[in-house]
Amino acid sequence: NAGVTQTPKFRVLKTGQSMTLLCAQDMNHEYMYWYRQDPGMGLRLIHYSVGEGTTAKGEVPDGYNVSRLKKQNFLLGLESAAPSQTSVYFCASSYSLTGLSYEQYFGPGTRLTVT
Amino acid sequence: AQSVSQHNHHVILSEAASLELGCNYSYGGTVNLFWYVQYPGQHLQLLLKYFSGDPLVKGIKGFEAEFIKSKFSFNLRKPSVQWSDTAEYFCAVRYSGAGSYQLTFGKGTKLSVIP
Repeated sequence: NAGVTQTPKFRVLKTGQSMTLLCAQDMNHEYMYWYRQDPGMGLRLIHYSVGEGTTAKGEVPDGYNVSRLKKQNFLLGLESAAPSQTSVYFCASSYSLTGLSYEQYFGPGTRLTVT
Repeated sequence: AQSVSQHNHHVILSEAASLELGCNYSYGGTVNLFWYVQYPGQHLQLLLKYFSGDPLVKGIKGFEAEFIKSKFSFNLRKPSVQWSDTAEYFCAVRYSGAGSYQLTFGKGTKLSVIP
């Protein structure tokens, strides 16, 4: 099992450009999450999904959109990137109906720089 | 709002010293508790978790944590740290109730171990 994978690993954008980050999990998890990590701020939840076709806002959703068209994939979009979105983005997944475990499994992260 | 506090932002220890990292949460109900570790340049990995039963939980790499319900605490300990324990450590709490699949993370404690 690959666990949680993220693409790309690194990206540099100019202000105003758009991009999509892809997260995929092969653990049949119901829930998926997007976080951003900034120095001294810990992990902040951007958006999350409790199942295919459903998404919800987290703590810092402004400037981001998400979609979960397939259970195993969770996409994070930046429509018009801003320097404040320079960060490391982590995807995570959790909870299978058979496992009944709430621990989250994290992907390797995407380091995004917006100039 | 429910919160998680990690009191130490940066801890510096010499090899073989004992470690205790504090974690306090704000909710008085049923909780599940986690400690994650993030080695430099890597993603978060689960160190240990508490769901129920024995409040002293043993995790990987010699780490343990004790859940003290009366103090709303879940402190992480290791009797003798190694240079390879240099990392950032995050406490996380799952609060029961609506949206209970989410984890609330502390801001993290950076541990530097000096050889």
